[in-house]
Parts: sequence; C-alpha cells; structure tokens
Amino acid sequence: EDKVVQSPLSLVVHEGDTVTLNCSYEVTNFRSLLWYKQEKKAPTFLFMLTSSGIEKKSGRLSSILDKKELFSILNITATQTGDSAVYLCALISGTYKYIFGTGTRLKVLA
Amino acid sequence: NAGVTQTPKFRILKIGQSMTLQCTQDMNHNYMYWYRQDPGMGLKLIYYSVGAGITDKGEVPNGYNVSRSTTEDFPLRLELAAPSQTSVYFCASSYSVVNTEAFFGQGTRLTVV
Repeated sequence: EDKVVQSPLSLVVHEGDTVTLNCSYEVTNFRSLLWYKQEKKAPTFLFMLTSSGIEKKSGRLSSILDKKELFSILNITATQTGDSAVYLCALISGTYKYIFGTGTRLKVLA
Repeated sequence: NAGVTQTPKFRILKIGQSMTLQCTQDMNHNYMYWYRQDPGMGLKLIYYSVGAGITDKGEVPNGYNVSRSTTEDFPLRLELAAPSQTSVYFCASSYSVVNTEAFFGQGTRLTVV
C-alpha cells in the first residue's frame, strides 16, 4: 500500500532558526513528490520533485528528493512568523492519486 | 480567475440528514478529487475521477457518493450524515497526474450534530 510518513509531527522554533522537515514514502509506482503549505484554508503548492539529487529552491525554502532512500526534505532557513503553517508532503502514484502525509505543524515564535 | 470553487463554506447537519457538497473547476482539468481533513491530520482521499463519467473510490469512501457528469463539476453526496463525517472537505483538480500539482478549493467545514 502506498504510504507517506512525515516527521516531526510538530515543531516550535524561534524566528531566524533553520528547520528541516522530513517525508519518507513507500510507493509501487513513483511519479512525483510534492510539498504543500497549508495555513488557514486550502493547501498551496510549493515544490514538485521528480528526480533525485536536484534541489528545488524558492527564496528561503528548498527541497530535495532521494529516490534510492525514498525520502525528501524541506528546508526553511531564517524562519519568519509567516512560515507558521502545516507543511504537507504528497506523492503522485501510478494509480492517478495524490497521497498525502499527516503533515508537520510548524510554529515560529517571534 | 476562479480555479476550484466549493460551496457551501460551512454547514451544520443533523444526524441522518443528507447534503451535497458542490465542486466546480474552470481549468478544464480531467482529474478531480475529494479529500477530508480531520483536526491535526493530513488529507484522506474519499473519491476521485479521471474524467467525465469515470469515478473511483479512495481510502475512505463509506458514507459518500460522487458523480461526474461534466468535466467541470464533481459533487460529493453525503447520505445519512453521521458525527464521524464532521470534517473539513477539500475538492482538488489537476490537469494530469504526470508531474503536475493539484489545485485546491477553499474547503467546506461540515459539522454533524
């Protein structure tokens, strides 16, 4: 059964800290891995990763995929209070579905 | 620039009542999904559709039904609402499942009392 596991479940840091969020997965037919940020409402798309070792970057956020070890990390440097959110990792499997993990709840304190 | 539109935003149902959650997208996406999100949890797939006339069950389909008569619309029907169906429901759509992201509606918060 396809599965996505995220860790930690929650994290509290201070502004300026760097955080690393983890996503490990099991899938029979890997297509892509995605990261979403969810604040109050709908998840918003951050990154899509399909190849190992290629870092995707957007401002202070970056992500990388390791298809051999079946995991991805999302890094946030110099965190700000606006980064407080739930970060969701999702897989696109071969069966046309987006499979989500339980998310990591990040709280950044001023 | 509507994207994925869900209605209603909030609803309170009594046990045993029925309702339909509406979802419409204007991006001509073939793939559409219904998820539920319980407090502190991730998104669980209820039903999905790969095109008009084609639907399939996800992880948690019991108590729900869907239809897909057009590309744009993917309503979710709750029959005989139960407290366990209290959740936030998200509809999503994607152009394909080959390296494209899914776009989400703003969610429907449903409470069954």
